[in-house]
Amino acid sequence: GNSVTQMEGPVTLSEEAFLTINCTYTATGYPSLFWYVQYPGEGLQLLLKATKADDKGSNKGFEATYRKETTSFHLEKGSVQVSDSAVYFCALSRNAGNMLTFGGGTRLMVKP
Amino acid sequence: EAGVAQSPRYKIIEKRQSVAFWCNPISGHATLYWYQQILGQGPKLLIQFQNNGVVDDSQLPKDRFSAERLKGVDSTLKIQPAKLEDSAVYLCASSFFDRGSNEQFFGPGTRLTVL
Repeated sequence: GNSVTQMEGPVTLSEEAFLTINCTYTATGYPSLFWYVQYPGEGLQLLLKATKADDKGSNKGFEATYRKETTSFHLEKGSVQVSDSAVYFCALSRNAGNMLTFGGGTRLMVKP
Repeated sequence: EAGVAQSPRYKIIEKRQSVAFWCNPISGHATLYWYQQILGQGPKLLIQFQNNGVVDDSQLPKDRFSAERLKGVDSTLKIQPAKLEDSAVYLCASSFFDRGSNEQFFGPGTRLTVL
């Protein structure tokens, strides 16, 4: 079956540090890949997505590249801010209209 | 554009009691999902509707959980009777079924505590 594995947190960084959150997946075929973010007290929001191999999703300074050869979709940001503190979820979907399979989430804490 | 609405936001019940959650998806979204998010874990799909038909309910504990989507718009999720392990956040999501887009929009969730 489909599964997503992401690095456990919490990840604690100082402001302006470089961020990487690792995500690997197992799926048949060619799934779409997503990063969702959950800010404190808020619902899940789509951060970025990629629908085919070698696609790069980007938003708000975050990037992730769909690597089929390594079945990975690592999230990166060059300079984090305190406001980036949240829980980040990697997820995959087999097809349009299909359910999302989520990883366990990684809590990011950014200190001033 | 209004987002996905859910109510109540919080609910505390005793074990063996019943509880119901309500979801109103984004207007025009044919697909509706209910996810269960246990503390410290990622959301897990319980049931998926396409209009008012069930697409996937393979992970729904049918002995105690039920869901319906009458008229293909609003949906309710019910737990009867609740167990301690049902304590979680119940998320509703919707999407506009389109082969070119599979973005799901999530509501704020209902946090259920079973004592």
